[in-house]
Amino acid sequence: QKEVEQNSGPLSVPEGAIASLNCTYSDRGSQSFFWYRQYSGKSPELIMFIYSNGDKEDGRFTAQLNKASQYVSLLIRDSQPSDSATYLCAVKAGNEKLTFGTGTRLTIIP
Amino acid sequence: GAGVSQSPRYKVAKRGQDVALRCDPISGHVSLFWYQQALGQGPEFLTYFQNEAQLDKSGLPSDRFFAERPEGSVSTLKIQRTQQEDSAVYLCASSFDRVDSPLHFGNGTRLTVT
Repeated sequence: QKEVEQNSGPLSVPEGAIASLNCTYSDRGSQSFFWYRQYSGKSPELIMFIYSNGDKEDGRFTAQLNKASQYVSLLIRDSQPSDSATYLCAVKAGNEKLTFGTGTRLTIIP
Repeated sequence: GAGVSQSPRYKVAKRGQDVALRCDPISGHVSLFWYQQALGQGPEFLTYFQNEAQLDKSGLPSDRFFAERPEGSVSTLKIQRTQQEDSAVYLCASSFDRVDSPLHFGNGTRLTVT
């Protein structure tokens, strides 16, 4: 079992709809949770991070964390074609390395 | 510069050659990480430095891989006797030394071994 699991997709969502990306992790000691966006041929760029159970909103993005279920998700509201990318979930235990999932490829259909 | 800088951007090596990849982290960032990313996969951890100390090298795939950060700033990842399976994008990232500090990535070095 991989430490961080994501559905690889592709996930297709109509423009203007809500895109929902999910991630589960195996290490109960994980303390910090990050979502990165990666365009093809580019490096990962940070979108959001969350540490506490519940929701965290930033513009069109909402991160949700449920530590009891070891589950973290990212919602993208009013999806735009520019949101088409691979979304990487990453978790950190302590102040050490980030462990990444394989990423979910998201396509927004105009 | 304001971001993590990596060089070269692209490297083509013949099988058996040695390569050296450079990373210049964000000023003030204590922690420095190297990741390897194969096509269609997420980044895989290679090694981690806190200042000049290499605290974790558990992800280095073989003893052909060696990383250093002698003065606690610039880091070099060296791959000896390159093999075709070493072909990947090598990403460097830096951060503050805090549990809530995200990693900031450089643009990566795409290594192709022919």
